[in-house]
Amino acid sequence: NAGVTQTPKFRVLKTGQSMTLLCAQDMNHEYMYWYRQDPGMGLRLIHYSVGEGTTAKGEVPDGYNVSRLKKQNFLLGLESAAPSQTSVYFCASSYLTGPGYTFGSGTRLTVV
Amino acid sequence: AQSVTQPDIHITVSEGASLELRCNYSYGATPYLFWYVQSPGQGLQLLLKYFSGDTLVQGIKGFEAEFKRSQSSFNLRKPSVHWSDAAEYFCAVGPNQAGTALIFGKGTTLSVSS
Repeated sequence: NAGVTQTPKFRVLKTGQSMTLLCAQDMNHEYMYWYRQDPGMGLRLIHYSVGEGTTAKGEVPDGYNVSRLKKQNFLLGLESAAPSQTSVYFCASSYLTGPGYTFGSGTRLTVV
Repeated sequence: AQSVTQPDIHITVSEGASLELRCNYSYGATPYLFWYVQSPGQGLQLLLKYFSGDTLVQGIKGFEAEFKRSQSSFNLRKPSVHWSDAAEYFCAVGPNQAGTALIFGKGTTLSVSS
């Protein structure tokens, strides 16, 4: 089915470990986004991309890196995981910023 | 600064009763406005959106929202709530220029009592 696919769906990391979250979309969308969702905080933008090879920082970028080497993929990396990065991570994509997003189903990350 | 405020953290409504969820925004120009719903353990689903034109917009699942520019509000309404409407609801405001992202409110959790 067309849409946004996030892998993995669940992950437990130890403090200091690294990992990469993958977001893939098959709708030929230009824009892609990474948000984190924490209780009582809503969704906060980590990084976003307005096209292949371009990325930009959002509201809470510290501790994360991203890459958009291919138009359909947007990777979120944690170089040295910290307990404060325990969260649910959502990827989204859009054709333009206006019409609204298509969201992935989320990745639940726990850092112990 | 651009922001979205959802004043109610948690609301409980009886099944069959009407519902209104509040959303206020701060934005430099006329924004795009959205309401999303999230069921437990799920992703976000778009309920409705406002870009321009008629200030009363209809969405899925019987929801509607009204844009009031003078009050900087975009409140979500439903005339008769069903138990399946229990979820978390997010209001979001978007840019009208390329290259920036949606800003989300902190959400309102809706509980439905029988």
